[in-house]
Amino acid sequence: GNSVTQMEGPVTLSEEAFLTINCTYTATGYPSLFWYVQYPGEGLQLLLKATKADDKGSNKGFEATYRKETTSFHLEKGSVQVSDSAVYFCALSEGTSGSRLTFGEGTQLTVNP
Amino acid sequence: SAVISQKPSRDICQRGTSLTIQCQVDSQVTMMFWYRQQPGQSLTLIATANQGSEATYESGFVIDKFPISRPNLTFSTLTVSNMSPEDSSIYLCSARRGGGSYEQYFGPGTRLTVT
Repeated sequence: GNSVTQMEGPVTLSEEAFLTINCTYTATGYPSLFWYVQYPGEGLQLLLKATKADDKGSNKGFEATYRKETTSFHLEKGSVQVSDSAVYFCALSEGTSGSRLTFGEGTQLTVNP
Repeated sequence: SAVISQKPSRDICQRGTSLTIQCQVDSQVTMMFWYRQQPGQSLTLIATANQGSEATYESGFVIDKFPISRPNLTFSTLTVSNMSPEDSSIYLCSARRGGGSYEQYFGPGTRLTVT
């Protein structure tokens, strides 16, 4: 079956530091990949997506590249802000699984001023 | 994207009672889903809400405990029945437009505490 593995958290950074959150996946077909962000007390917001190999998703300074050879979709940002403090979820969706999303465990990011 | 609202946003309920959560989407969508997020955990899919037919439940979730309705393409309800403290979670509704795009958009969630 499908699965998503994220780097263990929590992650604590200083403002303007470089961020990487690792995500690897297992899927039987060719999934679409997503990063969602959950701010404290809120629902999930779609941050970025990639639908095929070598696609790069980007939004709000965050980027992730769909790497089929390493089955990875690592999230990066060059300079984090305090307002980026949230929980980040990597997820995949595959047509053969009825469009359901399979989520990783989530990574708590705290950015200190 | 799609704008999704949920009611109530939070509730505190007594053991043995039931709560119905409403999910409204601002436009017609192909698919709607219900997830549970236990404290500090990731999301677990409860079921897919099918318009005009019975919901499709994931392993470990049953209709008697989590009855779901979807009377049209913009609205769904989830009922948490005969609640116990183990049902204390955030319940999230999501929707997918369809076609070749698989992204889902989420509501703000309903934070349920069972005492």
